[in-house]
Amino acid sequence: EIVLTQSPGTLSLSPGERATLSCRASQSVGSSYLAWYQQKPGQAPRLFIYDASIRASGIPDRFSGSGSGTDFTLTISRLEPEDFAVYYCQQYGSSPCSFGQGTKLEIK
Amino acid sequence: QVHLVQSGAEVKKPGASVKVSCKASGYAFSTYAIHWVRQAPGQSLEWMGWVIADDGRTGYSQKFEGRITITWDTSASTAYMDLSSLTSEDTAVFYCARGGIDLYYDLWGQGTLVTVSS
Repeated sequence: EIVLTQSPGTLSLSPGERATLSCRASQSVGSSYLAWYQQKPGQAPRLFIYDASIRASGIPDRFSGSGSGTDFTLTISRLEPEDFAVYYCQQYGSSPCSFGQGTKLEIK
Repeated sequence: QVHLVQSGAEVKKPGASVKVSCKASGYAFSTYAIHWVRQAPGQSLEWMGWVIADDGRTGYSQKFEGRITITWDTSASTAYMDLSSLTSEDTAVFYCARGGIDLYYDLWGQGTLVTVSS
């Protein structure tokens, strides 16, 4: 099973700042089959990015995904108050799929 | 509208079983799988298994193999996840989610809290 390691564990930033979240895989993720989800307290996860760089329906363009192989990044160009949440990466290039442990993005 | 609506919270004793339902609506069921994902308190997400609505095929995580059964009821447009031999480690929110067999999940249920306590 591919292990995904997200960093940092917690990221403290202010609205308007740029956020960079990292997801590193223990082995190469086939076909860049990597997704990012946002989860707010008491809510289900929500798909934000799939296939490493494609924004899901309704996701604003301040969110972007990049990377390939073992290193992937989620970038939020300019943080809005509603962006503060936990973000998880998921790889689905190798069965079974696996999730990272999450990065908590909190208001500084 | 496209929805996955799950059954309500459950409290179970250790050793018991729980069955959680996930009713789908608003999309062509046959083109997707329904997956089940577990999230223990304060923890990340863990894939458990899937069912294909079209033909009822299933696939399970080795971690849960032997005590999980996932089914699809075509007449009710509903997926079910049955987990047996519950322990306190199964205290978690269980989500159903729509996706391909090995794909991302673009639609999630609201989650069902299962508490295992003596």
